[in-house]
Amino acid sequence: GAVVSQHPSRVICKSGTSVKIECRSLDFQATTMFWYRQFPKQSLMLMATSNEGSKATYEQGVEKDKFLINHASLTLSTLTVTSAHPEDSSFYICSVRSGQVNEQFFGPGTRLTVL
Amino acid sequence: GQNIDQPTEMTATEGAIVQINCTYQTSGFNGLFWYQQHAGEAPTFLSYNVLDGLEEKGRFSSFLSRSKGYSYLLLKELQMKDSASYLCAVRYQGQTGANNLFFGTGTRLTVIP
Repeated sequence: GAVVSQHPSRVICKSGTSVKIECRSLDFQATTMFWYRQFPKQSLMLMATSNEGSKATYEQGVEKDKFLINHASLTLSTLTVTSAHPEDSSFYICSVRSGQVNEQFFGPGTRLTVL
Repeated sequence: GQNIDQPTEMTATEGAIVQINCTYQTSGFNGLFWYQQHAGEAPTFLSYNVLDGLEEKGRFSSFLSRSKGYSYLLLKELQMKDSASYLCAVRYQGQTGANNLFFGTGTRLTVIP
């Protein structure tokens, strides 16, 4: 299956700072990547779909000015949480879909803690 | 909109068989997935069903009935390492026409000796 990496795996930051999370598709070119958020004991919630070379598509209720997504190449998408607040503390997971088979592969996730 | 119901928790004995049920409501249904997620880790793909019937993959099998909006994941010969959350997810056509995944809250399975 596809290999997806995320960096960093864990980040702790102060309230008001910005945090960038990188998602890389290591073994195939992904025109589309997905960003999910998961709060403790809750389901994965799709935040946005990242499209290479164009603007991301955000789900209802997700602030596009707060969660900046850049998909500059076929192997890299970044999510920047701007002016982070404690309520943004969550597990952020990126995902890529293989065009060959009906599978969607997930990165290892980034645990964000905002103090 | 989308809705998925699955039990919150289940407990089963090592070596036994367990069935995790999932019922869903969605428009634009385009497949059902099962994922395994260990605490603090990302989900890993287990199975995919788009047509009615049973898909078998080693110790894991998944069943789908589209008319009933129902699926189950069957785990055989349970091992301690199978203790994890099992997420049912439906793929549907989103606002832009692209296929998205909607996840249930997961079933936390505990395997006991």
